[in-house]
Amino acid sequence: GENVEQHPSTLSVQEGDSAVIKCTYSDSASNYFPWYKQELGKRPQLIIDIRSNVGEKKDQRIAVTLNKTAKHFSLHITETQPEDSAVYFCAASITNFYGGSQGNLIFGKGTKLSVKP
Amino acid sequence: NAGVTQTPKFQVLKTGQSMTLQCAQDMNHEYMSWYRQDPGMGLRLIHYSVGAGITDQGEVPNGYNVSRSTTEDFPLRLLSAAPSQTSVYFCASSRQGSYEQYFGPGTRLTVT
Repeated sequence: GENVEQHPSTLSVQEGDSAVIKCTYSDSASNYFPWYKQELGKRPQLIIDIRSNVGEKKDQRIAVTLNKTAKHFSLHITETQPEDSAVYFCAASITNFYGGSQGNLIFGKGTKLSVKP
Repeated sequence: NAGVTQTPKFQVLKTGQSMTLQCAQDMNHEYMSWYRQDPGMGLRLIHYSVGAGITDQGEVPNGYNVSRSTTEDFPLRLLSAAPSQTSVYFCASSRQGSYEQYFGPGTRLTVT
């Protein structure tokens, strides 16, 4: 089955710096890669995702890159702010023939990001 | 819409007791999933369902049963609780043809 490795487990940056979190996956059939943000005591929330037919996707200060050959993908957060402090999870899954996720995400173990003012 | 709801929010069980964690969604989503979250382990998939009457195992299915008799509900049953099942349990749902999974608020379960 799929296995997702995530690094680093903790990351501390100064406000305004960039943060990069990296994930690798094992199943070459995986084609959907979301990133979730989880604040303390709250539910995970989707912040950005990428599908295998795209190499990079941006949404304001957040970007995700995907290298299918190497089976790794990364989250980039620029101009970090204290409110970016949270645990971030990457995940992978195989979409079905309807084109969407079928609810069977395999997650990495998470990265605790701390942004110091 | 209430979205994805889970009950109870907190539960304490004794070893060997059984219970059902409830999950419901009012968005008419076809897909529903159960995850458990332990410190340092991320979220691990327990079971998932692609529609009423159809369920499949995830990464850590042992000790848990599920059924999906309606589109709205996806209960998770612990037949004989063990301390290793102490965790936070999240239910999630998504629409067929879409990508985003919507998570419920979670149930914090402690087994003593």
